[in-house]
Amino acid sequence: NAGVTQTPKFRVLKTGQSMTLLCAQDMNHEYMYWYRQDPGMGLRLIHYSVGEGTTAKGEVPDGYNVSRLKKQNFLLGLESAAPSQTSVYFCASRYGRNSNQPQHFGDGTRLSIL
Amino acid sequence: QQQVKQSPQSLIVQKGGISIINCAYENTAFDYFPWYQQFPGKGPALLIAIRPDVSEKKEGRFTISFNKSAKQFSLHIMDSQPGDSATYFCAASWRIYNQGGKLIFGQGTELSVKP
Repeated sequence: NAGVTQTPKFRVLKTGQSMTLLCAQDMNHEYMYWYRQDPGMGLRLIHYSVGEGTTAKGEVPDGYNVSRLKKQNFLLGLESAAPSQTSVYFCASRYGRNSNQPQHFGDGTRLSIL
Repeated sequence: QQQVKQSPQSLIVQKGGISIINCAYENTAFDYFPWYQQFPGKGPALLIAIRPDVSEKKEGRFTISFNKSAKQFSLHIMDSQPGDSATYFCAASWRIYNQGGKLIFGQGTELSVKP
């Protein structure tokens, strides 16, 4: 049981380049989330999805886009990378809408923008 | 605007001691307060959680204390062990279903337990 899988694990980009981070979950979860983690700031929500074909903005959505074409996948895109987007990105998923159901996290993608 | 504030930023405890991490929240619409544990190179994992109608929840060596009137909650780790060395995050989420189950995280506490 893989849980939540993020690819790639590491990436270095140059300013202005684009890339897509992939999150895949095999738990048939409806809800999926993208966070970024920066020192001293905890995890901040970028975008989230409450089901296939839906997306919504989180706390820090600027500079990112997302798509949820299939229930098991949630893609995070950077159209024109900036140094301020250097961070560790985490994907999470959750079964349903009840607030006491835990979010399950992947192991992160470490992204550096030069 | 930081809706969940966590302290301290870092904590060093001797093996066998008690580790205490505190969080304060602002939004009274929060109805679920989990704590996540994160080891280096890994994603956060749920450790323990509490709802605001309960003042305390204990699971093994881990206890959450909740003070609804003060809008504060804390994690106590009894008999702290070197294997507990990790980063701990408190979080809160909304009662309102259309918020998508979003979690608001605190800033994190890096705990180091010395042998």
